Amino acid sequence: TQLLEQSPQFLSIQEGENLTVYCNSSSVFSSLQWYRQEPGEGPVLLVTVVTGGEVKKLKRLTFQFGDARKDSSLHITAAQPGDTGLYLCAGFDSWGKLQFGAGTQVVVTP
Amino acid sequence: AAGVIQSPRHLIKEKRETATLKCYPIPRHDTVYWYQQGPGQDPQFLISFYEKMQSDKGSIPDRFSAQQFSDYHSELNMSSLELGDSALYFCASSLGDRSYEQYFGPGTRLTVT
Repeated sequence: TQLLEQSPQFLSIQEGENLTVYCNSSSVFSSLQWYRQEPGEGPVLLVTVVTGGEVKKLKRLTFQFGDARKDSSLHITAAQPGDTGLYLCAGFDSWGKLQFGAGTQVVVTP
Repeated sequence: AAGVIQSPRHLIKEKRETATLKCYPIPRHDTVYWYQQGPGQDPQFLISFYEKMQSDKGSIPDRFSAQQFSDYHSELNMSSLELGDSALYFCASSLGDRSYEQYFGPGTRLTVT
């Protein structure tokens, strides 16, 4: 059973469209992180959200941490082909181990 | 900026052979984590070291062992390899134990035939 549930599992959109990826849990997290991973490469840390209700922006990417610190979302505005990748949310479980969601595969076609 | 270095990037071994994966953390990072990622799966935590001592243990098989050396690099030793060990193995590093920001290396793709 995944501690973090991501949805959707797969998302295919056209360049210029917007998209949102969700990461949900029944557990409270002190922080949540978002990574992007490309095939055969290691996950790259995009952002860490720490405070409930926090919103962080990274160029066209907007990350939000839920008020109750149980969920997070990643919104991409005007997606570009370079945004294609596997987006993983991750948080530390009660034993201090980093647990990943199953990931959302995003494909942006020109 | 310097990143986590892993070697080799690709490794092919036969069943029952032994493999050693190496990880060089970001300079000044003192904590190393090892993860295994099977095809289509998310990374699973194996083991971590802080200041050369094992700090946490996850789903690491008994056939695997790891250590962190005085220069903070780490090695994951895998013996009696099985087909199911074929996966991407990632090393991540952080500054301080239980830091919430881990930086991942490019991974080693291990194929067991």
